[in-house]
Amino acid sequence: DTGVSQDPRHKITKRGQNVTFRCDPISEHNRLYWYRQTLGQGPEFLTYFQNEAQLEKSRLLSDRFSAERPKGSFSTLEIQRTEQGDSAMYLCASSAKREQFFGPGTRLTVL
Amino acid sequence: TQLLEQSPQFLSIQEGENLTVYCNSSSVFSSLQWYRQEPGEGPVLLVTVVTGGEVKKLKRLTFQFGDARKDSSLHITAAQTGDTGLYLCAGDGETSGTYKYIFGTGTRLKVLA
Repeated sequence: DTGVSQDPRHKITKRGQNVTFRCDPISEHNRLYWYRQTLGQGPEFLTYFQNEAQLEKSRLLSDRFSAERPKGSFSTLEIQRTEQGDSAMYLCASSAKREQFFGPGTRLTVL
Repeated sequence: TQLLEQSPQFLSIQEGENLTVYCNSSSVFSSLQWYRQEPGEGPVLLVTVVTGGEVKKLKRLTFQFGDARKDSSLHITAAQTGDTGLYLCAGDGETSGTYKYIFGTGTRLKVLA
């Protein structure tokens, strides 16, 4: 399967813990996106990369959130000192041209 | 700030009925995508429209991009229970020099047997 993959699919953590999610994009796609989605809402843009460069970051992304794409391939999203309000689905997408292709998401629950 | 509003937010219809979902903005987009999302999964791309006034058909689904590239509609003919899901529109910000995508608020469709 050559689609976008995300790991883990589900993560339950206690408030104050750090979590890290991984996204593997479609191999020839140079752009990679992270979104957050809460129940019943559309995905909310967090950040995106073109190759290894992080080109834009949402103002919603506090300094507890950091994303990397070290070699222009896979990406990681880390959330430090998680809060209950961080509970959401975290989606990754990749694109080469106009169309974005999404992974299955990581569902985060912060207790 | 670019925003995309979708209407209606919720729609519950009987199998066989027709429906239209709207996606509106005051901003111009280079292109607009429509997605369908099932619970617990990522959105799946249905179509991309690029040219103002463009109409694309995907079986029973008809997508139209507004002439001014600020709005779009999705029309489903003879809805089936398999059409149930969250429909999302997303516009790309290429006209503002960024490849950032803005998503609409979503329309949750339920088709009853």
